[in-house]
Amino acid sequence: DIQMTQSPSSLSASVGDRVTITCRASQTISNYLNWYQQKAGKAPKVLIFAASTLESGVPSRFSGSGSGTDFSLTISSLQPEDFATYYCQQSYATPQTFGQGTKVEVK
Amino acid sequence: EVQLVESGGDLAQPGGSLRLSCAASEFFLKRYYMTWIRQAPGKGLEWVANIKQDGSEKYYAASVNGRFTISRDNADNSLSLQMNSLTVEDTAVYFCARWAARYGFYYMDLWGKGTTVIVSS
Repeated sequence: DIQMTQSPSSLSASVGDRVTITCRASQTISNYLNWYQQKAGKAPKVLIFAASTLESGVPSRFSGSGSGTDFSLTISSLQPEDFATYYCQQSYATPQTFGQGTKVEVK
Repeated sequence: EVQLVESGGDLAQPGGSLRLSCAASEFFLKRYYMTWIRQAPGKGLEWVANIKQDGSEKYYAASVNGRFTISRDNADNSLSLQMNSLTVEDTAVYFCARWAARYGFYYMDLWGKGTTVIVSS
């Protein structure tokens, strides 16, 4: 199975901050990498697919980059509604494994 | 409204069984690859099982293989997960989700709200 490792596991930030979360795959996955946001008690919601393609309706402050084994999700200016947990997921191979999550908390 | 609605979550005894259902509304389930994902309390997301559009291919996580069975009824627009030989480690919120395919890439674009399974004596 492909292991996905996110860092950090949690971070504290303020509204307006630029936030970057990284995700590393244990083997190359090209750009078959998705990012999801999950708020407490809710289902996850896709933000980005194919490593850098913004899903329709997702604010442009979210961006993704990377290819191969190293990826990142950046929030350019953190908004109050962005405090949540973020997961990367590879869709290169079954099982489509997730990272362990990064919780973005209020500083 | 386009949505997925899970049901069937309950309290079960270790060694017991449950059957989860996922009803699709306002879209044709038969067009989509479907999946079950679970989330144990305070933990991350864990992929459980996938099923191809026509049900001809099914894949399972090692942790549930041989105990869980994913199935679908395209005529009824529904997805199911039969869970047998339950253990306390199966305690989780179970989500069904739809896979979208765009430009040759795959991601889960629609999720249900989840149904809670608690395994305890």
